[in-house]
Amino acid sequence: NAGVTQTPKFRILKIGQSMTLQCTQDMNHNYMYWYRQDPGMGLKLIYYSVGAGITDKGEVPNGYNVSRSTTEDFPLRLELAAPSQTSVYFCASRGAADTYEQYFGPGTRLTVT
Amino acid sequence: AQKITQTQPGMFVQEKEAVTLDCTYDTSDPSYGLFWYKQPSSGEMIFLIYQGSYDQQNATEGRYSLNFQKARKSANLVISASQLGDSAMYFCAMREASLKNTDKLIFGTGTRLQVFP
Repeated sequence: NAGVTQTPKFRILKIGQSMTLQCTQDMNHNYMYWYRQDPGMGLKLIYYSVGAGITDKGEVPNGYNVSRSTTEDFPLRLELAAPSQTSVYFCASRGAADTYEQYFGPGTRLTVT
Repeated sequence: AQKITQTQPGMFVQEKEAVTLDCTYDTSDPSYGLFWYKQPSSGEMIFLIYQGSYDQQNATEGRYSLNFQKARKSANLVISASQLGDSAMYFCAMREASLKNTDKLIFGTGTRLQVFP
């Protein structure tokens, strides 16, 4: 089991560029989440999904889009990158039968200049 | 609105001593859960311990225990016999209950723990 994997690990974007952060889990988890962590802060929820085809906004969704076409994958799309999106992005997943623990990926460090 | 507060930006502890990291929360929902995660300098988020609001006993996992005081709305993490490898950032988080059972987490700002020899 690889758990939750994220690619890329690091990325530098220019203002106005777009990119997709990839997230894949191999635990057959229904629930998946995207968080961002700004320097010196806790994590904030961007988007989440309760299953394939179903997504919903979290606390800070502006500037992002997601899709969930399969159980395994939950990509996060940044359109028109802005310096305010410089952050570390974490993907997480949870199975319905778990004791609420969310399993986190290793994170993607994104810098927008 | 639900909120998690960690008032200690940084803590120091000597190796082999116990340390308590504070966490208070605010919610009007009777059903909730509290987590502690560890984030070492390498950046990954490591689950440590979970406490449900209806759990009768305080949660324990090895050297970690959660001092859950419901009336005071506090969920402090106690690390016994600290080790150098415990040096990390520690986050308290609350599970936001919902009818959809989506389990969105609300995080505090974290406490940086440094263990010295």
